[in-house]
Amino acid sequence: GAGVSQSPSNKVTEKGKDVELRCDPISGHTALYWYRQSLGQGLEFLIYFQGNSAPDKSGLPSDRFSAERTGGSVSTLTIQRTQQEDSAVYLCASSLGAGGRPYEQYFGPGTRLTVT
Amino acid sequence: GEDVEQSLFLSVREGDSSVINCTYTDSSSTYLYWYKQEPGAGLQLLTYIFSNMDMKQDQRLTVLLNKKDKHLSLRIADTQTGDSAIYFCAERSDNAGNMLTFGGGTRLMVKP
Repeated sequence: GAGVSQSPSNKVTEKGKDVELRCDPISGHTALYWYRQSLGQGLEFLIYFQGNSAPDKSGLPSDRFSAERTGGSVSTLTIQRTQQEDSAVYLCASSLGAGGRPYEQYFGPGTRLTVT
Repeated sequence: GEDVEQSLFLSVREGDSSVINCTYTDSSSTYLYWYKQEPGAGLQLLTYIFSNMDMKQDQRLTVLLNKKDKHLSLRIADTQTGDSAIYFCAERSDNAGNMLTFGGGTRLMVKP
């Protein structure tokens, strides 16, 4: 079956612009995660959605970052007023919720964001 | 915060065994994972182990967990050039929600 998909695969934007990154989780997965992979910081957790519960936003680095998940499926990560330090690969993962194998997180190919 | 550490680099000859090591600090870790990342690709889940186990074998992969020392290792038997990649160790703790905390990754180079 289809894995986690992300779009765009690459995004180049000017400093100060807003960007939206999209994630389509594996069908039937109720949990969705965003991570960021950058040279200086390695792989960092950003935000986690589980079903209809309030998201865990504890990893978001600033209030310029936000994410939503519509209809319990597709998620969008928005970065406002992008800065050069936001340049990174943004990875999305999904997993089955409770009752399945919630501990297996499957990752998408990522979106490489470059802020010039 | 909690920490996961890995060595940066490992080089082996094709056909040899590779052992990639990882240490972590969170004593409440419940699951520990190994992911593989090939150039330009996302993370591929290789295997994971529950914290009440000390070994898990899956074909050429063997995971060893020493919970007392908070040490995890991944052994790849008969290493092939296609195993060349970055390997990430990660841990999940019941005290930290469902997110994973990753190590910095170990780059494995397999020489023919």
